[in-house]
Amino acid sequence: NAGVTQTPKFRVLKTGQSMTLLCAQDMNHEYMYWYRQDPGMGLRLIHYSVGEGTTAKGEVPDGYNVSRLKKQNFLLGLESAAPSQTSVYFCASSYVRAKNIQYFGAGTRLSVL
Amino acid sequence: RKEVEQDPGPFNVPEGATVAFNCTYSNSASQSFFWYRQDCRKEPKLLMSVYSSGNEDGRFTAQLNRASQYISLLIRDSKLSDSATYLCVVNPPAGGYQKVTFGTGTKLQVIP
Repeated sequence: NAGVTQTPKFRVLKTGQSMTLLCAQDMNHEYMYWYRQDPGMGLRLIHYSVGEGTTAKGEVPDGYNVSRLKKQNFLLGLESAAPSQTSVYFCASSYVRAKNIQYFGAGTRLSVL
Repeated sequence: RKEVEQDPGPFNVPEGATVAFNCTYSNSASQSFFWYRQDCRKEPKLLMSVYSSGNEDGRFTAQLNRASQYISLLIRDSKLSDSATYLCVVNPPAGGYQKVTFGTGTKLQVIP
């Protein structure tokens, strides 16, 4: 019963480096999301996907790119990391008819120095 | 005005106490509401839905007040294990995809 799996769990980057965060879900959910969570800011939506091959911008998309080549995977890329991207990143997924019932991964703690 | 607002707390309550949190929302057309729980350094997890008529799940009661545009969560007989941050979630009106809005959370600390 894996649910939503995120890799890696922790990462430290230097400014300007790139990386990809991987999210995989085994619940056959149509919708997938990437959030960042910062103290006092709550969960903010970065990008989301309503199906394979389709992505859309959320509330704070700048500096991030995403891809959903397979239904079960949703990748978040940082092309040139900045200290402002230091955060905890959560991936989530949901059924299309219950998008408010989201299942979250354990999170990725990213520090950009 | 923020779409969803919560008192960040922390609410420090003794074991066995009753505690209640509110969450206000700005869009009167919002259709559905939920409470999530997030333990320290963990991911959010769905706690319960909020129905118009109010609903209970054991020691937890959720209520919706559409006239005043807020939802509430009541916890009776608080346990140490209830210590967490409680996030309210507001679902936008129907008709096309709009993002679900999470509140910033209310932190509860139950003390022995």
